[in-house]
Amino acid sequence: DAGVTQSPTHLIKTRGQQVTLRCSPKSGHDTVSWYQQALGQGPQFIFQYYEEEERQRGNFPDRFSGHQFPNYSSELNVNALLLGDSALYLCASSPYNLNTEAFFGQGTRLTVV
Amino acid sequence: DAKTTQPPSMDCAEGRAANLPCNHSTISGNEYVYWYRQIHSQGPQYIIHGLKNNETNEMASLIITEDRKSSTLILPHATLRDTAVYYCIVRVGRNAGNMLTFGGGTRLMVKP
Repeated sequence: DAGVTQSPTHLIKTRGQQVTLRCSPKSGHDTVSWYQQALGQGPQFIFQYYEEEERQRGNFPDRFSGHQFPNYSSELNVNALLLGDSALYLCASSPYNLNTEAFFGQGTRLTVV
Repeated sequence: DAKTTQPPSMDCAEGRAANLPCNHSTISGNEYVYWYRQIHSQGPQYIIHGLKNNETNEMASLIITEDRKSSTLILPHATLRDTAVYYCIVRVGRNAGNMLTFGGGTRLMVKP
C-alpha cells in the first residue's frame, strides 16, 4: 500500500501565478482533507472533500479551491499567489463513515517568490 | 473543538520514558483526545487516541485524568527517532472525516 501520495514534492511559483497540487488517497479511503502548514506552525485545515463535493472548509479565502475525482484523488488550486502562501501543503485521507485515524502524505513544499 | 495547551519544548534522554503533558480543561463529554507527531519535513503521523480510559498501543500510552481536563502521552523507551513535534488534539467523535485543529505542539528532543 503506497499510502497517501502527493505531487509535486517541491514547487516554486511567482507571486500572482496559479498552482495546482495533487493528492492520491490511501487505498480504501474516500475522503480527502487539505492542510496548510507555515514554517514553525501547526497545520491549518483548508477544506475536505467527499463524494466529489466540498464538505467542510476552514478560514481560507476563495482563492483556495479544490476538486475530487471519481477515483477519490484530489487537487488543491490556489489562484493569485501571495508571498504568504509559501508553506507545506498536506493532504490527509480517511474513510468517511468509519471510525479511524487520518493518514497524511509527505506534503508539497510551495515557495512563492 | 476544545483548545489544548502544551509546553513548547521538552528534552528526554535516550532509553528513558518521555512524558508529554496536554491541558484541555474545556473538553466536552463527547470529545476525544488524539495525539499525532510530525518528524521534520514529514506529514503528521497518528499515535493514539482515547475518550476517558487509559489507552496503550505499540507506540505509546495515553493517560487521561479522571476529570478529563488533562492527559499525558508516554513514550516508554524514547529513541533518537522519536525526536519530533507532538500535537495533542481534541475533537468530537472518532470520525476521521472531521477536521483536525492543530496547535503549536511540543517539540521533543531525544538526546543520546
